[in-house]
Amino acid sequence: AQSVTQLDSHVSVSEGTPVLLRCNYSSSYSPSLFWYVQHPNKGLQLLLKYTSAATLVKGINGFEAEFKKSETSFHLTKPSAHMSDAAEYFCALLTGGGNKLTFGTGTQLKVEL
Amino acid sequence: SQTIHQWPATLVQPVGSPLSLECTVEGTSNPNLYWYRQAAGRGLQLLFYSVGIGQISSEVPQNLSASRPQDRQFILSSKKLLLSDSGFYLCAWSPTKGLTTSLNSGNTIYFGEGSWLTVV
Repeated sequence: AQSVTQLDSHVSVSEGTPVLLRCNYSSSYSPSLFWYVQHPNKGLQLLLKYTSAATLVKGINGFEAEFKKSETSFHLTKPSAHMSDAAEYFCALLTGGGNKLTFGTGTQLKVEL
Repeated sequence: SQTIHQWPATLVQPVGSPLSLECTVEGTSNPNLYWYRQAAGRGLQLLFYSVGIGQISSEVPQNLSASRPQDRQFILSSKKLLLSDSGFYLCAWSPTKGLTTSLNSGNTIYFGEGSWLTVV
């Protein structure tokens, strides 16, 4: 079965400190993985995606993620958090023959002064 | 460039009333189209997806239906709303498979701004 697990429902960091949002996946096939961000009452915005090219993927707003097949992980990181990064983050796996996304349950990121 | 629009943005409907949420995509042809629901405190659940006009796949049995009357139009409907239908509904699209896999093409799924439905 194909699934995504986001290990933390809430993460709190101080502004200027690093961010780590964890995501593990289960897939029988070579996975395509995504991170999306959702600000309150808004749709989902794509941050970055991995599709079997470089294992370190750079996205928008300074975020990046590293695909580690041995650990079945695709953790999202940012060196220095900004107040505007406070939002909910979703990890997702492309399934259904490449036509559908299976989402994790989300991680709420809080950034404190 | 491609854009996706869905409306209305907010809707308050009584139990038993009908529902129609509409979504259109511009700047592309033959997209895959999706309806997702995000209920309070829960993750994103795929409700329907469509790979072409009149082709609808339902992911979960429910009180809702979807239709695709035109290539870039996707409609979510209900004849009689239930309280449990309340939630945040997101329309999404992706290019047809086979394109390049850069960030802005390929099998990436792009979302609209969402529609808040409150059933009272």
